Amino acid sequence: DVKVTQSSRYLVKRTGEKVFLECVQDMDHENMFWYRQDPGLGLRLIYFSYDVKMKEKGDIPEGYSVSREKKERFSLILESASTNQTSMYLCATDRSGIGDETQYFGPGTRLLVL
Amino acid sequence: GNSVTQMEGPVTLSEEAFLTINCTYTATGYPSLFWYVQYPGEGLQLLLKATKADDKGSNKGFEATYRKETTSFHLEKGSVQVSDSAVYFCALSDEAAGNKLTFGGGTRVLVKP
Repeated sequence: DVKVTQSSRYLVKRTGEKVFLECVQDMDHENMFWYRQDPGLGLRLIYFSYDVKMKEKGDIPEGYSVSREKKERFSLILESASTNQTSMYLCATDRSGIGDETQYFGPGTRLLVL
Repeated sequence: GNSVTQMEGPVTLSEEAFLTINCTYTATGYPSLFWYVQYPGEGLQLLLKATKADDKGSNKGFEATYRKETTSFHLEKGSVQVSDSAVYFCALSDEAAGNKLTFGGGTRVLVKP
C-alpha cells in the first residue's frame, strides 16, 4: 500500500510566521504535488516536482515555495503566512507516466492563519 | 486551458437511492478522466478512471462512461449506502498540459439512513 504522510493534521499560525508543511512518501514515486483545497474551488495545484531538487510552479504558486532534497520528501513553505492562506493542504504522489497514473494523497493539513 | 465542471452540492439522498453526479470537461488534447472520493477526515483516493472514449470505469458499485461527443464523465451508483457519504471530485489529466490533474469543484454527498 502506498503511504503518503503529512507532518501535521491541524496547524494554527499567526500572520507573518514562516510555516513548513512536510510530506513523505514510501513508494519511490518520482512525482510529488502540493494542492490547496477550498470549498467550491476543488483542488488547485501550488507546486509540483518531477525529481529531486526539481520544482515547477502550478496554478497558484504566489506566496509559497517548495523544497525537495530527497526523493521521498517534499516540503511546502509559506514564507510569511497570511490569512488568505487559511486552507486545507494536500500532498500527492504518482509515478512518471503517460498521464493516466493514479495520484495518491496524504490525509491533509488544515491550516488556520490568524 | 483545461477545466472540469461538476454539479454543486450538497446532494442529500436516502439509503438505496440512485445517485448521479454530472461532470463535463474542456480539454485541449485527449484526456484521461478520473473520479476521486474524499471520505470525512481523509485525503482523496481514486474511485475509478477511464483513459479513452467509450471506456467505462467502475468500482464499489460506481460507474462512469467517458463520452467524448458530450465531453462528459457522469458518476452513477444504483443504490447508495450511508458509507458513500463523501465529497466526490471529477478530474482530468491531459498530456498537452503536462499530465497534471485538473479538478472540478467537488460535490458533497450525504446519504441518510
